[in-house]
Amino acid sequence: EIVLTQSPATLSLSPGERATLSCRASQSFSGSLAWYQQKPGQAPRLLISDTSNRATGIPARFRGSGSGTVFTLTITSAEPEDSAVYYCQQRANWPPGATFGPGTKVVL
Amino acid sequence: QVQLVESGGGVVQPGRSLRLSCAASGFTFSSYGIHWVRQAPGKGLEWVAVISYDGSTDYYADSVKGRFTISRDTSKNKVSLQMDSLRLEDTALYYCTKESEAKVGFAYDVWGHGTMVTVSS
Repeated sequence: EIVLTQSPATLSLSPGERATLSCRASQSFSGSLAWYQQKPGQAPRLLISDTSNRATGIPARFRGSGSGTVFTLTITSAEPEDSAVYYCQQRANWPPGATFGPGTKVVL
Repeated sequence: QVQLVESGGGVVQPGRSLRLSCAASGFTFSSYGIHWVRQAPGKGLEWVAVISYDGSTDYYADSVKGRFTISRDTSKNKVSLQMDSLRLEDTALYYCTKESEAKVGFAYDVWGHGTMVTVSS
């Protein structure tokens, strides 16, 4: 079973600053990594799929990158509305289940 | 528009059963795998179960295997999650979510609003 670790647990920054969120997998996998944003009282929202593909309607300031076991979500210039918890998620070809990281809380 | 609407949550005693439903609309239901993901109060996301686009494959988290059963009814565009032998630790907001790609998608692009399940004596 692949375990995802996210760091830092909490990230405090000011508007306009760059945010770098890390997601590390316990082993390499054949599949895909995605990122989600969740604000209080809301369902998660897909930001990035397949490591680096922005979902429909997601601003260009959100960028995904990485390979192997190390993945990164970068917010190039954070805005106040980016305050949220961010989760990475992995899914392999088999088994068909998914794994989520514990989340990084971003506070602006 | 593309939509998933969960229902069926409530308060139930340990050991009892509950059946959740997820009604889908706005997309070709028979082309997409559907998953259940839960979130305990104040905690992170936990994947629970998946049923493939054609209903031929289902798979469960170890924490619910043997107690939960996922199924789909294409004629009604609905997915169900039968939860038996409920435990206190099953208390959570249960989301249904849709795979982002037809047949096999690795991300979840549409989420319902969730339905709350509380297991309490």
